[in-house]
Amino acid sequence: DQQVKQNSPSLSVQEGRISILNCDYTNSMFDYFLWYKKYPAEGPTFLISISSIKDKNEDGRFTVFLNKSAKHLSLHIVPSQPGDSAVYFCAVTISDSWGKLQFGSGTQVVVTP
Amino acid sequence: DTAVSQTPKYLVTQMGNDKSIKCEQNLGHDTMYWYKQDSKKFLKIMFSYNNKELIINETVPNRFSPKSPDKAHLNLHINSLELGDSAVYFCASSPPLAGGFNNEQFFGPGTRLTVL
Repeated sequence: DQQVKQNSPSLSVQEGRISILNCDYTNSMFDYFLWYKKYPAEGPTFLISISSIKDKNEDGRFTVFLNKSAKHLSLHIVPSQPGDSAVYFCAVTISDSWGKLQFGSGTQVVVTP
Repeated sequence: DTAVSQTPKYLVTQMGNDKSIKCEQNLGHDTMYWYKQDSKKFLKIMFSYNNKELIINETVPNRFSPKSPDKAHLNLHINSLELGDSAVYFCASSPPLAGGFNNEQFFGPGTRLTVL
């Protein structure tokens, strides 16, 4: 009953190029979407979020796109830097659900020089 | 200044034992959570407390019992540990939004539990 899927377990990208991470969800009731970044032996850290009333949110090198009709969100990182090498989790929630986040399984990003 | 801290970082124990994991946050947040990251890397919410009151209680065996002595602490006690309890457990906290719950949660570093 996994309602959030990240179908790419890993992504390798050259430094300076764009990283595109994808996430699909099944429940149209979800109305708030987040991306978290995780380094080994650390907890996830919040990166960027988007509400269902928007289709794009940008913060520096990070942009999240939401396609509600396709139940799809993506994270673009441009330009990619070596420090971006980490596992990226998408998370979804319904605003009135007391902060109950549902996470995808993560995408390991490796940025090569 | 660690915002959300957990102890211990690693915990290795035998089946059948009882163990506790402690979590503390110094962010002044009202809401705290416990998540389990299993072998398939999915992070799944287990419990959430708001101002020491249990607000989320997912389908978790009743061998798991959270306790919140105050707003800054949320501990997780596990009785009769089983092999399947081996996982990484993350504590998290979040500040409130006016009139709702803030979904941006701050995570601790995790506790890796290994049951032998």
